[in-house]
Amino acid sequence: GAGVSQSPRYKVAKRGQDVALRCDPISGHVSLFWYQQALGQGPEFLTYFQNEAQLDKSGLPSDRFFAERPEGSVSTLKIQRTQQEDSAVYLCASSLSTGPLNEQFFGPGTRLTVL
Amino acid sequence: AQRVTQPEKLLSVFKGAPVELKCNYSYSGSPELFWYVQYSRQRLQLLLRHISRESIKGFTADLNKGETSFHLKKPFAQEEDSAMYYCAPSAGGSYIPTFGRGTSLIVHP
Repeated sequence: GAGVSQSPRYKVAKRGQDVALRCDPISGHVSLFWYQQALGQGPEFLTYFQNEAQLDKSGLPSDRFFAERPEGSVSTLKIQRTQQEDSAVYLCASSLSTGPLNEQFFGPGTRLTVL
Repeated sequence: AQRVTQPEKLLSVFKGAPVELKCNYSYSGSPELFWYVQYSRQRLQLLLRHISRESIKGFTADLNKGETSFHLKKPFAQEEDSAMYYCAPSAGGSYIPTFGRGTSLIVHP
């Protein structure tokens, strides 16, 4: 079946613009994760959903970042008033459930460039 | 604070040579340990996890609780092993991984 998909794959924004990044998880996967990967770094956790409930948003760097998953499937990460330091690859991952035996499946990422 | 260290940014070896990618972690409690891999132009994917005691593509990883290390090893590297490797301990109820900065492995023919 289809894996995790993300759109757009590339996004260029002017500083101060709002952006919305979409993630389509694998059908039936309960858990959904967002990560931010800066150039030359590993992915850093942003937020986590179990179904529609956002159980952990401790990694969101500021209140300009907002994520939702209203129907427990597709998720959107919104960044308001983008800044240059927001430039990164944003990864989405989903898993059937949580726990150490549940593999996270990653999407291809959205590369955001803020000018 | 949770911390994971991959001291080598780049590891370059010849085909057939042994390879060891180092990972040290600082975590409260007993985290679960994972290695993720990203091949060129492919997605990040799970390589192996300590809890399964598995060997994937000839790679193994031994947990040393005393040294808090989880080094990834392969006795004979292949060209197709060239990739970016991330060590990722995780803990807590949701087992969200904390990724290291990654080690780029290049295997020369």
